[in-house]
Amino acid sequence: NAGVTQTPKFRVLKTGQSMTLLCAQDMNHEYMYWYRQDPGMGLRLIHYSVGEGTTAKGEVPDGYNVSRLKKQNFLLGLESAAPSQTSVYFCASRLPGTTGVEQFFGPGTRLTVL
Amino acid sequence: GENVEQHPSTLSVQEGDSAVIKCTYSDSASNYFPWYKQELGKGPQLIIDIRSNVGEKKDQRIAVTLNKTAKHFSLHITETQPEDSAVYFCAASMGSNYQLIWGAGTKLIIKP
Repeated sequence: NAGVTQTPKFRVLKTGQSMTLLCAQDMNHEYMYWYRQDPGMGLRLIHYSVGEGTTAKGEVPDGYNVSRLKKQNFLLGLESAAPSQTSVYFCASRLPGTTGVEQFFGPGTRLTVL
Repeated sequence: GENVEQHPSTLSVQEGDSAVIKCTYSDSASNYFPWYKQELGKGPQLIIDIRSNVGEKKDQRIAVTLNKTAKHFSLHITETQPEDSAVYFCAASMGSNYQLIWGAGTKLIIKP
């Protein structure tokens, strides 16, 4: 099992450019999450999904869009990147319900917007 | 909404000593409190968690305590080792979807 993988690992964008971050998991998890991590601020939830074809806003959704067309993939899009979106982005997944609450994280994508 | 505060932001301890990291939460409805460890260049990984119906939980050298009245919970690491050096995050959640609100993190440094 590869667990949770993220593509790409690093990316540099210019202001106004667009990009898509890909998260893939092979654990058959229903729930998937996108977080951003900034120094001194912990992890903040951007968007999440509780199943294929569903998405919901988290704490800081502005400037991002997501799609969950397949159960194993969760895509995060930046339509017009801004310097404030410079961050490390983490994807996570978990089982549904009240027992499998552990979130499994990918290795992260470091994004710099110039 | 829920808010989680974590202290200290940096903790330096001598190898073999104990380390304690503390978190407070604001919403008394929170019922699940995990701790994650993040090593350099990696994603966070769950190390221990506790639910609101339990006051303490241990797993070898690590333990978590929960005080629901005071709305705070703590991570205790005994006999610290070099491999314990990492950033530790606490989190809290409530409700059926277990959406987590995270603390800001504590960088733990183990001095040889």
